[in-house]
Formats: sequence, structure tokens, C-alpha cells
Amino acid sequence: AQKITQTQPGMFVQEKEAVTLDCTYDTSDPSYGLFWYKQPSSGEMIFLIYQGSYDQQNATEGRYSLNFQKARKSANLVISASQLGDSAMYFCAMREGGSGGSYIPTFGRGTSLIVHP
Amino acid sequence: EAQVTQNPRYLITVTGKKLTVTCSQNMNHEYMSWYRQDPGLGLRQIYYSMNVEVTDKGDVPEGYKVSRKEKRNFPLILESPSPNQTSLYFCASSFGGGDRQYFGPGTRLTVT
Repeated sequence: AQKITQTQPGMFVQEKEAVTLDCTYDTSDPSYGLFWYKQPSSGEMIFLIYQGSYDQQNATEGRYSLNFQKARKSANLVISASQLGDSAMYFCAMREGGSGGSYIPTFGRGTSLIVHP
Repeated sequence: EAQVTQNPRYLITVTGKKLTVTCSQNMNHEYMSWYRQDPGLGLRQIYYSMNVEVTDKGDVPEGYKVSRKEKRNFPLILESPSPNQTSLYFCASSFGGGDRQYFGPGTRLTVT
């Protein structure tokens, strides 16, 4: 079974609007972390945001925020005020175990976001 | 500048011809890993290393070898490449296994 599920293969958004990219996860470990990475057409992987399972508040980094709903096991990425440069593939990833642990994140299959002018 | 480098960036080779993709990081990270990315499948982990001389299999290790003789380097070896290993490969490093990863620029490999 997939540990990370991204149900939206592709998304479209108008420039300057907000968009939510879905991510659900599956784990029985009480300690885990969730990551979002961006992959533009140039191919590099860019870290965006991190949420720990014990963090009390939703993570935010500039225009990126993570809508963390622990009971629903979802960690959706919200991009506010979309820009043309936000067009890219977005990957959700999870690592299980404490932050000092030896686990390596597993990745979802990604969501392709296209921002229209 | 903190970075992960991979070489080569692009490689076209033939079935059975041994090749090595190098990976090096200058951040003194403990953890390094290799992923392959295929359309519709996301990133799948091939191997990872928790420290020098300590490596372990990821989700798709068949047909690959790794070594970690120095902390900064983590080469990926394909002893006898096959066409199904045509893919985009990423090396990544992090301080700890649960920390954010720093990715290399990727190596696009084609095996004919």
C-alpha cells in the first residue's frame, strides 16, 4: 500500500489565485515528518516546507503553508497568490520515526501544477 | 556554496556496459541516498547510507550497487545496465535520516 497518496495528477490555477495540492499519508508511527518539494521543468528538486507530527501549528514559509489535519492524515500544500514560476511538479514526502532517526523519506507520485496568466 | 553534485548529468550507454554515477556533497551530511524518478511513479529510493561503510537497500535496489568509503561521496554503480534502468537519477543528502534532503541536479541515463 502506498504510504503517500497524491490524488491530483494535474492541477490548473489562475495567476494570483490560491491553490491547494492534496496529500494523504499512511503511518502507524506516532512520530513522523511531512515534506513538500517542488520540481520545475529544469529538473532540480527544491525543498519547500516541513511539518512534524508533534508540531502544534501548521507550517508556513512565505507563500507556502501546510494544512495539516492529523486525524484525517492529510498534509495539503497551499500556495497563495500563484505566480507563473510556480508551474512545476510538486511532491509530498513522509519520513517515519523521530527526527534523529535513521528513516529516509518516501515520496508520492507528484502533482503537476500549471499556472495560467 | 552548499551543494550536492552529480556526474555525469547526461549519459547514453549500451546494455551491459558498466557505469558509475558519482555523487558528492560538501555539507558534512551523515545521510546520503539515491533515487530514481520515472513518469507517474514519483521518486523511488534505490539505496541509502547512514554513514561511512553503512549502506542499506531502498525500495528498488535490484541491478544497482553503492559504496560509501568517504563521508562526502556516494557513487551509484550499474554493473550491467539494462534498458529498464533508463531513468532520471537523483542523489540526496541530509544531516539526519529524518531531515530535509538536499538534492543533486539529477543524471538522465538512457540505456539502449
